[in-house]
Amino acid sequence: NAGVTQTPKFRILKIGQSMTLQCAQDMNHNYMYWYRQDPGMGLKLIYYSVGAGITDKGEVPNGYNVSRSTTEDFPLRLELAAPSQTSVYFCASSSTGINQPQHFGDGTRLSIL
Amino acid sequence: KQEVTQIPAALSVPEGENLVLNCSFTDSAIYNLQWFRQDPGKGLTSLLLIQSSQREQTSGRLNASLDKSSGRSTLYIAASQPGDSATYLCAVNFANAGKSTFGDGTTLTVKP
Repeated sequence: NAGVTQTPKFRILKIGQSMTLQCAQDMNHNYMYWYRQDPGMGLKLIYYSVGAGITDKGEVPNGYNVSRSTTEDFPLRLELAAPSQTSVYFCASSSTGINQPQHFGDGTRLSIL
Repeated sequence: KQEVTQIPAALSVPEGENLVLNCSFTDSAIYNLQWFRQDPGKGLTSLLLIQSSQREQTSGRLNASLDKSSGRSTLYIAASQPGDSATYLCAVNFANAGKSTFGDGTTLTVKP
């Protein structure tokens, strides 16, 4: 039972480059979330999805885009990487939303230089 | 503004002690509150989820309480062990917010 799988685990980007962070879950969860965690801080919501084809912005969506073409996958795209996007990115899922526990991946550590 | 605060930011205790971690929130209208554990370089592991209608939840040596009227939750860890060393975060789902608001966490060190 893999749960929530994030790839890659680490990445270094140059300013202005683009990349996609991958997230997949095998629990048939409808709700999926992308968070970022800066050092010593809690998590801030970037985007979330309540099902395939439906996405919405969280607290800090600027500079990011998402898509949800299947129940299993929820990729996060950075179009023009900036140093302020250096962070650890976590993907999470839950079965029916905020009244159910969230299950997290191990994160992607991203540095923008 | 709906905020979640965890104090202290760090806590160090000797092995075997019982301890309490605190989480406070600014709005009593919540759906639920969730406690997580985060090990260095890892994701978050859900420990306990307390619905707004509940007063407490227990799992093994862990007991989480919820007092909405005072805007507080505590995570009680009994007979602490070095393996309990980690960062503990609480997340509150405020009513009408549609998302979780996280505290910054308390980093616990249990010394052998």
